Amino acid sequence: NAGVTQTPKFRILKIGQSMTLQCAQDMNHNYMYWYRQDPGMGLKLIYYSVGAGITDKGEVPNGYNVSRSTTEDFPLRLELAAPSQTSVYFCASSIGQRNTEAFFGQGTRLTVV
Amino acid sequence: KQEVTQIPAALSVPEGENLVLNCSFTDSAIYNLQWFRQDPGKGLTSLLLIQSSQREQTSGRLNASLDKSSGRSTLYIAASQPGDSATYLCAVHPLFMNSGGYQKVTFGIGTKLQVIP
Repeated sequence: NAGVTQTPKFRILKIGQSMTLQCAQDMNHNYMYWYRQDPGMGLKLIYYSVGAGITDKGEVPNGYNVSRSTTEDFPLRLELAAPSQTSVYFCASSIGQRNTEAFFGQGTRLTVV
Repeated sequence: KQEVTQIPAALSVPEGENLVLNCSFTDSAIYNLQWFRQDPGKGLTSLLLIQSSQREQTSGRLNASLDKSSGRSTLYIAASQPGDSATYLCAVHPLFMNSGGYQKVTFGIGTKLQVIP
């Protein structure tokens, strides 16, 4: 029972580089989310998706892009990495949006230098 | 704007002690509240989901209470064990959707719990 799987676990990027954080879930959940967690701050929603082909911005979307071509996968793309994007990124999924538990991946620790 | 505060930021207790973690929120228009556990270098694991109409939820040694009118939730851990050591976060789900169409869940920063053997 894999749940939500994120890769990579760690990554160091140079300023201006790009990368894709991978997220996959095997629970057939419609809703998927990307959060970032910064020290001393609560999790912030970057992007979310309500199903394959449907994505929308969350609270802090600038500098990021997402796609959702399948129910299982929800990659997060960073273009032109900046030091402000140094953070821990979490992918999550849920059956519904409000009344259901959210399941989280183990996170990707990204450092931009 | 909803704000979620968790006090204390850190707590250290001897094994076997009963303890209470606090979560307070500023806007009582909530749909539900969720407690999570986060182990170092790991993601969040859902512990309890308590609806706005409920007063409490229980799972094993954990009991979460909710008082919407005072903007407070507590997580009670009975007979604490070293394996309970982790950071505990609460998250508040709003009653109304954000104007952008998404549910702006507000997370607390968490309480880091250490249970000493």
